[in-house]
Amino acid sequence: GQQLNQSPQSMFIQEGEDVSMNCTSSSIFNTWLWYKQDPGEGPVLLIALYKAGELTSNGRLTAQFGITRKDSFLNISASIPSDVGIYFCNTDKLIFGTGTRLQVFP
Amino acid sequence: DSGVTQTPKHLITATGQRVTLRCSPRSGDLSVYWYQQSLDQGLQFLIQYYNGEERAKGNILERFSAQQFPDLHSELNLSSLELGDSALYFCASSVAPRDSPLHFGNGTRLTVT
Repeated sequence: GQQLNQSPQSMFIQEGEDVSMNCTSSSIFNTWLWYKQDPGEGPVLLIALYKAGELTSNGRLTAQFGITRKDSFLNISASIPSDVGIYFCNTDKLIFGTGTRLQVFP
Repeated sequence: DSGVTQTPKHLITATGQRVTLRCSPRSGDLSVYWYQQSLDQGLQFLIQYYNGEERAKGNILERFSAQQFPDLHSELNLSSLELGDSALYFCASSVAPRDSPLHFGNGTRLTVT
């Protein structure tokens, strides 16, 4: 079946550092979305991308829809402690990436 | 607050039992999705409903079933429970089946002992 390969699996960074994560697939998609899950809560939408090549920002977060439509990238600049959580990529709602677990140390 | 309500928040039950998880979607959303998240795992899609009709099915076990009622709330039934069914079960809703983001509830944590 379709799979989304998300990397890295986990990141341990210092406050203030930038973060990059990505999601790749062997299939083409029309939509890429990024969600964040805080401990004990449901995922929350961060950024939605609907067009190949699209680059969209939401505060310190920037995401890009890959030109091939098979991948997407999420960058977080100047990380802060509240960025801690699990970040998931998603396409067409049904398939989620395996998640990137982010830990931020002061 | 996503507007999606899931009850109960926690459920502890024994192997072999049956439970029902309930989800009220965000006002105006016609599509409901169910996901399972085991410890330190990703979100596994179970089943989707749109306006009362089953729309898509993931790797949902035969022991599990779901439905969406005319008032658009949904229930996920889990029967003959096994230890491995212990997980967080999330419901999400969206306005339309495609090209609209998901709004998640805070999940039901099921523990099977």
